[in-house]
Amino acid sequence: QQPVQSPQAVILREGEDAVINCSSSKALYSVHWYRQKHGEAPVFLMILLKGGEQKGHEKISASFNEKKQQSSLYLTASQLSYSGTYFCGTETTSGTYKYIFGTGTRLKVLA
Amino acid sequence: DAGITQSPRHKVTETGTPVTLRCHQTENHRYMYWYRQDPGHGLRLIHYSYGVKDTDKGEVSDGYSVSRSKTEDFLLTLESATSSQTSVYFCAISAPPGYEQYFGPGTRLTVT
Repeated sequence: QQPVQSPQAVILREGEDAVINCSSSKALYSVHWYRQKHGEAPVFLMILLKGGEQKGHEKISASFNEKKQQSSLYLTASQLSYSGTYFCGTETTSGTYKYIFGTGTRLKVLA
Repeated sequence: DAGITQSPRHKVTETGTPVTLRCHQTENHRYMYWYRQDPGHGLRLIHYSYGVKDTDKGEVSDGYSVSRSKTEDFLLTLESATSSQTSVYFCAISAPPGYEQYFGPGTRLTVT
């Protein structure tokens, strides 16, 4: 079952902040975040592991609430280059490294 | 950039014909994945491999089979293509397991 991402789409002005949420109906062991620009492959942003460890992009932060089975991606002081579709990928069975992705959040940053 | 390629990049085929897509990596990564991407559905896992000859099903595996006889190659086969399999197919690699996935450039498959 795919995790639910919200919002489905968001439009920002340069410099504004955004939060993208990812909610699962199952327990989460890790969450990955990726950004995809139109016509291109997804690109890695962030990994969040159960227990709080994070690995990823310096200018992007994220949280992982194990009890709520949710993750949020925080984009601060957005730039034009942040435009794209953001996907979360969730691992719901520990140690399988099998990821189920959400349906995506389309983000557009305007000048 | 991770060394991962997909072939062909574009293919048009007729309903009922077999199709094989190839993913090739030069990184010697253990984990390899096949996803399909459709509007409104995001990325959906078809099959993945955690070693040579070790594969497992994803969430949309019906109608697809995979094989991995060498670390560097992961093949996705549509035994008898249907129009519902028209999609963009992405291969991804990961190592060590649990770390970030690197995606290939994608294959656009159209089944007429």
